[in-house]
Order: sequence, then structure tokens, then C-alpha cells
Amino acid sequence: ETGVTQSPTHLIKTRGQQVTLRCSSQSGHNTVSWYQQALGQGPQFIFQYYREEENGRGNFPPRFSGLQFPNYSSELNVNALELDDSALYLCASSLGTGDTDTQYFGPGTRLTVL
Amino acid sequence: AQTVTQSQPEMSVQEAETVTLSCTYDTSESNYYLFWYKQPPSRQMILVIRQEAYKQQNATENRFSVNFQKAAKSFSLKISDSQLGDTAMYFCAFRHYNQGGKLIFGQGTELSVKP
Repeated sequence: ETGVTQSPTHLIKTRGQQVTLRCSSQSGHNTVSWYQQALGQGPQFIFQYYREEENGRGNFPPRFSGLQFPNYSSELNVNALELDDSALYLCASSLGTGDTDTQYFGPGTRLTVL
Repeated sequence: AQTVTQSQPEMSVQEAETVTLSCTYDTSESNYYLFWYKQPPSRQMILVIRQEAYKQQNATENRFSVNFQKAAKSFSLKISDSQLGDTAMYFCAFRHYNQGGKLIFGQGTELSVKP
């Protein structure tokens, strides 16, 4: 069984640019959640996708957007990058959105904004 | 709004000894879930243990157990017989009932297990 994978591993961008991060969910999982983890902090919830629809969003501006594809993989897009967007971006997949559904995390993408 | 607080930024323990990591949370809800996640240097967040708030019995998973005090809003993690592989950041997390996606994390405790 393949776990959650993310690409790329590391990324360096400059302020004002746009970036796309990718996540492949674990086999059989139809739900993907994205988190931002600043250095020395706990992860913060960005949003969740369930069956290709956004299903909940945290306190992030609209320049953070996402997509989920029919195979349940997902993208996180960030426009007009700011220095504070530098962080580890984690995605997590789960069987569904139910209370018993454990989230399994990927290894993350480290984004540096210069 | 729910908050999760981990008051110990760093802790260390000798191999084979027992260590307890603290976590407190704030919520006005009565139904929720609590989790401990481990994040080793490889960065991959791994679920250690989960607790349903409606269950009075404390959860255990092998060497890991929790002390869940609902009235005090406290959720500590005890690691017995500590191993070098337990070295990692540990995050306490909260999830409200019927909000399947949104985990709220504390700031983490960095645990070092020394030989």
C-alpha cells in the first residue's frame, strides 16, 4: 500500500511569484487536507477537499486555493507569495470526513520565499 | 475558538526511562477527539495515539498511554521504556466532533532520548 506522497520536496520562490504543490493520497482515500507548518510551530489547517469539493477552510486568504482530481490527488496553489509563506506544507489523506477517519500525513514540501 | 497549549518546548529523558508530555486545551464543546502526533526529523507526521472525549478509559498503544482529564481539559502523553527512536517533536492536537478535517495543533514538545 502506497502512503501519502508530496512533490516537490523543496522549493525556492521569490516574493510575488505563484507556486503549486502536489499531493497523492493514500490508496483508497478520498479526502485530502492541507496544513501549513511555520518553523518551530504546529501545523495550521488550510483547507480540506472531499470528493473534489472544498469541505472546510481555515483562516487563510483567498490567494491560497486548491484542487482535487478524480483520482483524489490534490494541488495547493499559492498566488502572490509573501515572505511569511515560507513554511513546511503538509498534506494528509483519510478514508473520508468521518470522526473515525484518521489522517495520514505526507512528508511535506519545504517552501522558501526570498 | 479551540486552542491547544503545550507548555514544555523541550524535554529530555534517558533511554529506558519514562517521560510525560503535557497538553492542555480549551473548548466549550463536550464531544471532540484528542491526538498525539510524532514528527521525527524526517518530517512525516505519525499518529501515536487518539482519545475520544466520550470515553472515560484512557487510551493506550504499547509503550504510549495518555492521562485524559476532561474536567481539567488536560491530555498528557506518557512514554514508557523510552527508546532512541522516540526522539522527535510531539504535537498534541484537537478535533471537534463532526469536523472531520480540521485538526488544531499545539506548538509541540521536542523530546530527546539520550543513551
